[in-house]
Amino acid sequence: DQQVKQNSPSLSVQEGRISILNCDYTNSMFDYFLWYKKYPAEGPTFLISISSIKDKNEDGRFTVFLNKSAKHLSLHIVPSQPGDSAVYFCAAETGNQFYFGTGTSLTVIP
Amino acid sequence: GAGVSQSPRYKVAKRGQDVALRCDPISGHVSLFWYQQALGQGPEFLTYFQNEAQLDKSGLPSDRFFAERPEGSVSTLKIQRTQQEDSAVYLCASSPGRQLEFFGPGTRLTVL
Repeated sequence: DQQVKQNSPSLSVQEGRISILNCDYTNSMFDYFLWYKKYPAEGPTFLISISSIKDKNEDGRFTVFLNKSAKHLSLHIVPSQPGDSAVYFCAAETGNQFYFGTGTSLTVIP
Repeated sequence: GAGVSQSPRYKVAKRGQDVALRCDPISGHVSLFWYQQALGQGPEFLTYFQNEAQLDKSGLPSDRFFAERPEGSVSTLKIQRTQQEDSAVYLCASSPGRQLEFFGPGTRLTVL
C-alpha cells in the first residue's frame, strides 16, 4: 500500500523555466514532509521540508507547497538549471518512519 | 570525509550467503536509519537507532535481517541466507535530531 505517490515518473523542462514536481499522500497522520534530490550512484540529498502546520516554505530557488485538504504537496524550482537534472523524491513522516514516493526524474534542457 | 560513508559500495552474493553492510555515520549524530531501495522504487524504512538503542525495527522484512549499533556510532546491517529478493540498494542515513537528513551513498547488493 503506497502511502506516498509520485504519479509522474519523468518531467522535462527548459532551462530558466519553472519545474513543478507533484506528490500525493493518503495518510492524514503525516506531520512532516520532505523533498530529496538524488543523482545516480549517490544517496538522496535533503532539499527542503515543510511542517503540516504550514502551507508554504521557500529556500532560494526551491519552494514547497502543502495542501492538506487535498493531501498534496508540490516542489517548485525556479529558474530551473541543468544541474537540477536528477531524480526527486518526496517523503512524509509519522513517528520515526519516513515514507517515500517512487521518484520523478527531472531533466532540465539547456 | 565529513559525510555518511557506507561499505562496501557494491556486494555480489550467492543465494544463501550471509552479508554484512557497514555504515559510518557523521560523528556525533544521534539518529541512524537504514532504508532499502529496490530498483525503480523509493527507499523503504528498515530500522531506526537512537544512539545504541534500536527504537524501531518494524521495517525489517524477515528474521534474516538484523541490525546493530553497539557503541552508538558505526552500524552494521546483516542479512543471513540471502535471497534474490534481497537485491537492492541499502541506504544508511544519520542525523543530529530525528529527521532524515544525511544519506550515505548506499550499498548495492546483488544476490545471484
